Amino acid sequence: EPEVTQTPSHQVTQMGQEVILRCVPISNHLYFYWYRQILGQKVEFLVSFYNNEISEKSEIFDDQFSVERPDGSNFTLKIRSTKLEDSAMYFCATSGSTYEQYFGPGTRLTVT
Amino acid sequence: DQQVKQNSPSLSVQEGRISILNCDYTNSMFDYFLWYKKYPAEGPTFLISISSIKDKNEDGRFTVFLNKSAKHLSLHIVPSQPGDSAVYFCAASVRFGNEKLTFGTGTRLTIIP
Repeated sequence: EPEVTQTPSHQVTQMGQEVILRCVPISNHLYFYWYRQILGQKVEFLVSFYNNEISEKSEIFDDQFSVERPDGSNFTLKIRSTKLEDSAMYFCATSGSTYEQYFGPGTRLTVT
Repeated sequence: DQQVKQNSPSLSVQEGRISILNCDYTNSMFDYFLWYKKYPAEGPTFLISISSIKDKNEDGRFTVFLNKSAKHLSLHIVPSQPGDSAVYFCAASVRFGNEKLTFGTGTRLTIIP
């Protein structure tokens, strides 16, 4: 069964450093999303991406965040200058013609 | 922002019995609802969905019921199995399409053998 994959599974970084989280979507899906879950809190929407541009973003997704699909397969989330409060699980999700979103296993980001 | 609420943080059910998980929402624009199951250290796994034009959708042991007037949905699992022990999230979007999801806080279901 096709699945969404994410790398790395765990990333530890120092405050102020840049991180790039990577996702490989399900091959025939055209809609891509990033969500995050801070420990003990809800899963929150960050951004959606379609046709090589952002469709919608939340107020969390400020100028420190960016997304791109650099090579037609990977979908990346970049955080330019990490803060302690960026520590969370980051989930990539993708969807296609049947609308339900399929999630990857997540990247645990720890900012120290 | 409590647009989607799951008021029971946990639920324990005997194996073989019915598990009923509840979800309430406040945004009347929500049009599409989904249930996800999540194990620790894994991503949410899609279980079942329903659009607002229906009031029930079944898939094997899982049935989702939607009551639009009450802004309430529920997930029924019957019979419950030990592998069903996980955290269950309901989620909603404003259109039946490829739209952002708003999640509830989750209910931890424990199936007692």
